[in-house]
Amino acid sequence: GQSLEQPSEVTAVEGAIVQINCTYQTSGFYGLSWYQQHDGGAPTFLSYNALDGLEETGRFSSFLSRSDSYGYLLLQELQMKDSASYFCAVNSGGYQKVTFGTGTKLQVIP
Amino acid sequence: DVKVTQSSRYLVKRTGEKVFLECVQDMDHENMFWYRQDPGLGLRLIYFSYDVKMKEKGDIPEGYSVSREKKERFSLILESASTNQTSMYLCASSPNREAEDTQYFGPGTRLTVL
Repeated sequence: GQSLEQPSEVTAVEGAIVQINCTYQTSGFYGLSWYQQHDGGAPTFLSYNALDGLEETGRFSSFLSRSDSYGYLLLQELQMKDSASYFCAVNSGGYQKVTFGTGTKLQVIP
Repeated sequence: DVKVTQSSRYLVKRTGEKVFLECVQDMDHENMFWYRQDPGLGLRLIYFSYDVKMKEKGDIPEGYSVSREKKERFSLILESASTNQTSMYLCASSPNREAEDTQYFGPGTRLTVL
């Protein structure tokens, strides 16, 4: 089976940096994605890593180490609007079929 | 912009009723997905489809069926609704492109089964 682990909750201060980790155990691996979901909203795509290393998109970066089955999402210059749930997701079987983690609820405080 | 729409935002049904949840996407995506989202459990895949009339079971297909007669439309069917199917249901679509896993989600349908 597939399993992904990420912290359930993280609290960080506005303007700071926060890292959300994700470890996975899957029978195959095509890539690791990250999604953001605000309360009452739909998940929206943030980033995708198929190869080892860091991908940067504005204030958000995502890292992957396939040998460690590990990735993280890095959020810099935190803003109040970044308060949301963040999900990692692994594609282990093609067709863009992914398995989602249980999500990390990020609370940004003043 | 990709647009994924779902037929209802909120739905209340009674135990034993047959329930249809409809999802439509306007970007000619090959793949479509149905998830349910419950607190503490994340998003769990019910069924997905990679082409018209094609369907594959996800992780929790029991009690559900799906239909994809047209490329843009993917329906989730609860043959006989039960209270444990009370949940948020999310539909998503994605293009079938290599090295890309972006899924585009609809707004969700919050289903309550009484």
